Amino acid sequence: ETGVTQSPTHLIKTRGQQVTLRCSSQSGHNTVSWYQQALGQGPQFIFQYYREEENGRGNFPPRFSGLQFPNYSSELNVNALELDDSALYLCASSSQSYGYTFGSGTRLTVV
Amino acid sequence: EDKVVQSPLSLVVHEGDTVTLNCSYEVTNFRSLLWYKQEKKAPTFLFMLTSSGIEKKSGRLSSILDKKELFSILNITATQTGDSAVYLCAVGNSGGSNYKLTFGKGTLLTVNP
Repeated sequence: ETGVTQSPTHLIKTRGQQVTLRCSSQSGHNTVSWYQQALGQGPQFIFQYYREEENGRGNFPPRFSGLQFPNYSSELNVNALELDDSALYLCASSSQSYGYTFGSGTRLTVV
Repeated sequence: EDKVVQSPLSLVVHEGDTVTLNCSYEVTNFRSLLWYKQEKKAPTFLFMLTSSGIEKKSGRLSSILDKKELFSILNITATQTGDSAVYLCAVGNSGGSNYKLTFGKGTLLTVNP
């Protein structure tokens, strides 16, 4: 059973709206990474947070932003939603930079 | 740009068959190669490989890495219907203190009874 929990499990938003996805990292893990997985594709790296600071970012526009809290949980915020933002959003936590534990993901549908 | 290519993209076999899944990569600052199994949502960790030529085994699954030729294979022997899933290959690389995974598109394996 995964130690990383994400919420909500799925949601539907309208184009132009904003969304916040949440992730509780596995106990003892201080690094959180977010990935976007479109249908039929592998996960794409969005960004990573380490000790509450952004610690690397993939090729995603600034309307994708995040936060990490002192308890190492994290949020992913997406503004001005577009249809192409529809995807499975995966959160992964790690304590050493050699392995990740993934959460079950949030399925976002933008209509 | 970092790249991970998996082949085949999909595969249909019968129970009891042996399958080999391929993963080639081009990344800067390579640190590790990982295999995951994804059935519904969360990718489940299978193997992490960091050294060439050392096979890792877990039951009917095994994997090996060739850092000279930049590829890895995942073998599944005596396949079962429960092995049906998407198998993801990811390469971990780092720039400074940042460590991220670059994934391939995955191989969809279907095992028929």
